[in-house]
This record gives sequence, structure tokens and C-alpha cells, in this order.
Amino acid sequence: SQQGEEDPQALSIQEGENATMNCSYKTSINNLQWYRQNSGRGLVHLILIRSNEREKHSGRLRVTLDTSKKSSSLLITASRAADTASYFCATDAHGANSKLTFGKGITLSVRP
Amino acid sequence: KAGVTQTPRYLIKTRGQQVTLSCSPISGHRSVSWYQQTPGQGLQFLFEYFSETQRNKGNFPGRFSGRQFSNSRSEMNVSTLELGDSALYLCASRPGFNTEAFFGQGTRLTVV
Repeated sequence: SQQGEEDPQALSIQEGENATMNCSYKTSINNLQWYRQNSGRGLVHLILIRSNEREKHSGRLRVTLDTSKKSSSLLITASRAADTASYFCATDAHGANSKLTFGKGITLSVRP
Repeated sequence: KAGVTQTPRYLIKTRGQQVTLSCSPISGHRSVSWYQQTPGQGLQFLFEYFSETQRNKGNFPGRFSGRQFSNSRSEMNVSTLELGDSALYLCASRPGFNTEAFFGQGTRLTVV
């Protein structure tokens, strides 16, 4: 079953704009991770935020985590055409022993 | 360091046959997980191995099995293939608990 639920399901923006993607989950977690996937290829890890962290930055990426609301958001600033991909959130639940549970993903299209 | 390597990249099999997929994790990573990705169900966890032991198993029928060797390389086997087994099978390795996962490019299995 899907633990993470991303929102929106699809997002289309102009190059240079910011993209915000949201993820909600159901159980207690050790960490939450965001991944990118290009055209049915392997997933690329973007950023990991632990349950005791509230915000994390990596280059143009900013992720927040609100464990009280069981939600996270991923912000990509100054988007580029190369950011066009599917984005997934994944949760590492307590006691889940390295089992990542993924949402269904968000399709981001960045128009040049 | 070499990334996660999956072989073969593409495979076409007939219903009723069996198939074996291979995954070589990043050197030093002892945790290897397998995921099935389909358009309808998204990314579903199959199983996870650590030091040759299956630590976690997803909700898949017994036709899906796996193993891990002493060098951490892993194989998964699907017997009596069904059309619904057509999917992208992804392998991921992790350096430890509460860390990011590194994915291979996947094996695209088509069952005809």
C-alpha cells in the first residue's frame, strides 16, 4: 500500500519558476526522502530529511517536514527544463527495516 | 565507486516461463532491496536482503523469490510468469540504516 501521497499529481511550469510538491504519509517515520525519475529509468536520490529535522536545503532544493501533520514539501527553485521528471516521496517507517514506501509520484514538466 | 548494476536491462518472456534478474550493489553496501514499478500500482516493495538474510518482504505471491550472496550481489526470481508481471524491476542498495537508497537503472520485463 502507498504510504506517501504526493500532491499535485502533475505540475506544469515555466522555466525559472519555482515548483512546490507536497507529500503526506500515515505512520511514524525515521526519515522521509525525495527521489527523481526520468522516463522510466532508475530513481535518483535527491534529499533525505530525518524525523527530528524540520527543514533541509541542497542546492536549488528545499524540503520541509512537519511530523505533527505527517507531511513534507519539496521546493525546486529557479526550475530548468532538465528538471522535467517524475518526483517521488518515500518514507522509512519505524521498525520497517530498510523498506521504503513510495507515493505514486508527481509528474513535473518545465517548459523552456 | 561504481553504481548499482542491474542485468539484463530488457527482457521479453512468455507466460509460464521463469526469469532471474541480477543486481550488484555499490561496494560496501550490504542491504539490497527490490521494487516493482508499474503504471497502475506504482513502486511496490518486493523484499530486502542484508548479509544474505531476507529481512523484509512485501505483499507479493510466492512466485517471487530472491537471494543474496556472500559478496552482497542479489538475484530475484519470478516463476510461472503472468502478463501482470510486466514491469520495471528496480534494485537499490543502502550503506546502512536510516540512509538514502541508490538505485540501479532497472530491468524492464515484458511478459507476452
